[in-house]
Amino acid sequence: KNEVEQSPQNLTAQEGEFITINCSYSVGISALHWLQQHPGGGIVSLFMLSSGKKKHGRLIATINIQEKHSSLHITASHPRDSAVYICAAGLGGAGSYQLTFGKGTKLSVIP
Amino acid sequence: GAVVSQHPSRVICKSGTSVKIECRSLDFQATTMFWYRQFPKQSLMLMATSNEGSKATYEQGVEKDKFLINHASLTLSTLTVTSAHPEDSSFYICSARQSGELFFGEGSRLTVL
Repeated sequence: KNEVEQSPQNLTAQEGEFITINCSYSVGISALHWLQQHPGGGIVSLFMLSSGKKKHGRLIATINIQEKHSSLHITASHPRDSAVYICAAGLGGAGSYQLTFGKGTKLSVIP
Repeated sequence: GAVVSQHPSRVICKSGTSVKIECRSLDFQATTMFWYRQFPKQSLMLMATSNEGSKATYEQGVEKDKFLINHASLTLSTLTVTSAHPEDSSFYICSARQSGELFFGEGSRLTVL
């Protein structure tokens, strides 16, 4: 069974700061997902990674397959980035895809 | 992009009643949908995998007779919480995959009085 560890659990940042959230997993994966959960509960998928790096706006996600580690970076953070960020390790194919979730990182960005 | 819609977003019911939650894929066909439950300040927990045209696969510890899942079409899966009790109060959320990407419904917050 995959173990997914996220750090930090809680993070408070000043607006404009560069933010990094880390995720480590214990066994090989098909893909690593970064999710954003808003205070109301809704979840948005930010990235799906199987190698390298992806960028979308101010968000950057990287993954190191050998080290079983991924990071999510937020540049020029803004109060609207305040949310819980969850990494999830995915394994399997179309009909049997298993996700193991980290416990999430609660980010608060202060103006 | 693909959209998954979930309804209702909030429901309050009396103990002993049943509640149905719908999860629809709006612009793609989802042969598989996933149902999760999330208690306050905890991670998402997979309850079951809903497969179109066949029985759902439930995770260990999830009561099949209490949490009825029906996936009758390629765009609709339903979760019915039968004989709900206060301990069933939780946030329920569905998801589907398309081209490997995950898409989540808006979630349903159930409160059982």
